[in-house]
Amino acid sequence: GQQVMQIPQYQHVQEGEDFTTYCNSSTTLSNIQWYKQRPGGHPVFLIQLVKSGEVKKQKRLTFQFGEAKKNSSLHITATQTTDVGTYFCEAVTGGGNKLTFGTGTQLKVEL
Amino acid sequence: NAGVTQTPKFQVLKTGQSMTLQCAQDMNHNSMYWYRQDPGMGLRLIYYSASEGTTDKGEVPNGYNVSRLNKREFSLRLESAAPSQTSVYFCATTPLSPLHFGNGTRLTVT
Repeated sequence: GQQVMQIPQYQHVQEGEDFTTYCNSSTTLSNIQWYKQRPGGHPVFLIQLVKSGEVKKQKRLTFQFGEAKKNSSLHITATQTTDVGTYFCEAVTGGGNKLTFGTGTQLKVEL
Repeated sequence: NAGVTQTPKFQVLKTGQSMTLQCAQDMNHNSMYWYRQDPGMGLRLIYYSASEGTTDKGEVPNGYNVSRLNKREFSLRLESAAPSQTSVYFCATTPLSPLHFGNGTRLTVT
């Protein structure tokens, strides 16, 4: 079955440092979504990537989809305390019928 | 406000007790999902319903049953709760993607 690995599992950074989380699939994906979950909250959709090699930006967040559509990354430039939370990728295959979440990367930002 | 509503928000059960988690959406989406979230394990799919009248097993269906009552409502039932079912449960819906999540139900089984 499809496996989705997300690394790292945890990341502690000082405010102002950069942060990157990676999502790797064993199979080619239709598309991939990224979500953010604040402590005690529910996952909230951030972005969807569909095209091979696609790069999208949201302010300090940069999302990339690999050329082979098997991996993706989320990069945050100059982290702030408001970035604290767990970031999940959601891999979509089978024409949109099969959804698999990565295990998440928990980000802590220290002043 | 449009969205996904889950009840209850918190629940404590004793081993062997039963309960039903309720989920309702007013987004007119066909697909609805139940996930459980455990530390270090991300979100794991329990059951999903692609449309009214259909349900399918996900990754971890054992110990659970579901009912898609109508297009709006998708309930999750624990017939005989076990401590291993202590978790946070999320209901979600989607037109195709992405997923829209409810606020979750935090369940503790003692």
